[in-house]
Amino acid sequence: DVKVTQSSRYLVKRTGEKVFLECVQDMDHENMFWYRQDPGLGLRLIYFSYDVKMKEKGDIPEGYSVSREKKERFSLILESASTNQTSMYLCASSFGGVRTEAFFGQGTRLTVV
Amino acid sequence: QQQVKQSPQSLIVQKGGISIINCAYENTAFDYFPWYQQFPGKGPALLIAIRPDVSEKKEGRFTISFNKSAKQFSLHIMDSQPGDSATYFCAASSRNFGNEKLTFGTGTRLTIIP
Repeated sequence: DVKVTQSSRYLVKRTGEKVFLECVQDMDHENMFWYRQDPGLGLRLIYFSYDVKMKEKGDIPEGYSVSREKKERFSLILESASTNQTSMYLCASSFGGVRTEAFFGQGTRLTVV
Repeated sequence: QQQVKQSPQSLIVQKGGISIINCAYENTAFDYFPWYQQFPGKGPALLIAIRPDVSEKKEGRFTISFNKSAKQFSLHIMDSQPGDSATYFCAASSRNFGNEKLTFGTGTRLTIIP
């Protein structure tokens, strides 16, 4: 079974803190993605990566950055957390190429206070 | 700007009934349309998908209908069961240098009542 593991289920951080969300996949997938999920807004793509050390901006990259130093690990960084970044964050991975299934982690519920 | 519009936001269906969720898109570059199912506390998982050269695809009780000219597609769940209660997301995919980029709808929370 494909496994996408997010390091934390729940996180509470203070405004202004630098926050790291970690994601690891065990299927040698080329592609990795970070989404945030908010009620009424669905899943919105923050950043994605097609290869190690490569990254592409998604639809809502402002306030975020990413790092992919190893193929299996994709980190999302909130440089200075703000309350409007309180959300559910979902990591996903897929094989390279087209029309491939995305496998999701179970999410990290981040609350910024 | 929502590139994939999904409705309804929530849906309550009696057990044994038909659940219907609709999606519409604008971008004609989209060429692959999956549906994802999400249970509480879990990440979304692929349910069924269709390409635009096919008007309908059926897998068990789940059917996708696709209307290319109207740029609309829908998910039908026949004989809906309480275990189908979940949030459903439609999505559309375009290629970016040969790789997928999924754009999701806003989600539909489906509740099947006994």
